[in-house]
Parts: sequence; C-alpha cells; structure tokens
Amino acid sequence: ESVLTQSPATLSLSPGERATLSCRASQSVSSYLAWYQQKPGQAPRLLIYDASNRATGIPARFSGSGSGTDFTLTISSLEPEDFAVYYCQQGRTFGGGTKVEIK
Amino acid sequence: EVQLVESGGGLVQPGGSLRLSCAASGFTFSSYAMSWVRQAPGKGLEWVSFISGRGISTDHADSVKGRFIISRDNSKNTLYLQVNSLRAEDTAVYYCAKEGLGSGRGMDVWGKGTTVTVSS
Repeated sequence: ESVLTQSPATLSLSPGERATLSCRASQSVSSYLAWYQQKPGQAPRLLIYDASNRATGIPARFSGSGSGTDFTLTISSLEPEDFAVYYCQQGRTFGGGTKVEIK
Repeated sequence: EVQLVESGGGLVQPGGSLRLSCAASGFTFSSYAMSWVRQAPGKGLEWVSFISGRGISTDHADSVKGRFIISRDNSKNTLYLQVNSLRAEDTAVYYCAKEGLGSGRGMDVWGKGTTVTVSS
C-alpha cells in the first residue's frame, strides 16, 4: 500500500485567494486518488474522485489534478466556508491532512 | 435520501468489547462495499476495516487485526464492527462510509460517527 504525504501541513490564506494543496504517493497510484474536506465536529465530505472528478454537489472552484505519484487539489478562490482540513486518500491509506486556515 | 447512521459507541474499560452498528438507507446496500474509518482526538483519518458488498471479502488494518471484526447483514441494511480487546489507543470517533464503485472513487457517503472511549 502506498504512503501518502500531504503538504503543507498548514496553509494560511485570506478569503478570495487561491489554495494549492499537494499529495504525494510513495509509489504510483495511477489516477486512483480521492480528496475530502473535513470541518470541525463533522464527518469528512468527498470532494474529488479519480484524481480530477468533482463529486456530486461540489462547487466548480474545487479542482483536482495529477496522476502517478503527484496530485494537487486547487481551490480557485477561497470562500469563508472552505477553511477546513483536507485529506487525500488512496485505497486503505489517508494522507496526514492539510489545514487551510484564515490568515 | 442516502444516509448512514452509526450507533453503539460508549465508554469501555481497557480489554473490553463493543459492537458498533451502521444503519444504511436510501441506496441498494448490498451493491456497495463499506468501510469503517476512525479518527482519534485531534488526529487524522485512519482506515480500519473493509467489507465487500456481499460480505465475502474483508480486510482490516494491521493495528486492529485479530481484535476487530467487520460484518454486514444485507437483509437489515446494517454494517457492524465488533471491537474486542480494546486499548486506550482505540479511543476515536468511528465513521462508517460507503465505498464508491471503482478503485479511485473514494468514500462518497459518511455517517456522523459514534465515539468510542477506552479508559479505566
């Protein structure tokens, strides 16, 4: 099973700014990668599947890219409700998470 | 509405046992694999257990292998996790999640979680 490393651990940005989150796999996972958002006290929510496909109801400002070992989640313009923790996942493995906080 | 509702968590002493349940509704339960994922206080997500749609295939994380057992009753649309020989490090919120169809589809429906606290 591949190990997933997310960076940075924390991203401090202002509303309206662009957020770029990274997830690196220790071995190729093809495009089999998902991204989740989790807010305090809530369950995770699926944002992106198969590396680049938005899940149902996810706004277009969220986009995913990458294949093989390097993946990116981009939030084009941060809304107040986007400040949360984001996880990547492949198979039985989750990354350690990136917290997007208000600067 | 597609929904997962967990129950069965609580406070248990080290070495004790619990059975967690996850009631599913709004989709054809038997058509989908399911997983349990946990989150210790202040920590990230950790996959715990997986079961295929018909219950033929199961898998558990090394950290719980031999102590936790995942099962399902498709006639009751319910997923279970029997947790035995509990340790302090098993303290967490336990979520059940519906697996998407395909390797990269992720877990597209999550319950709100049930809390397990292991303490004397």
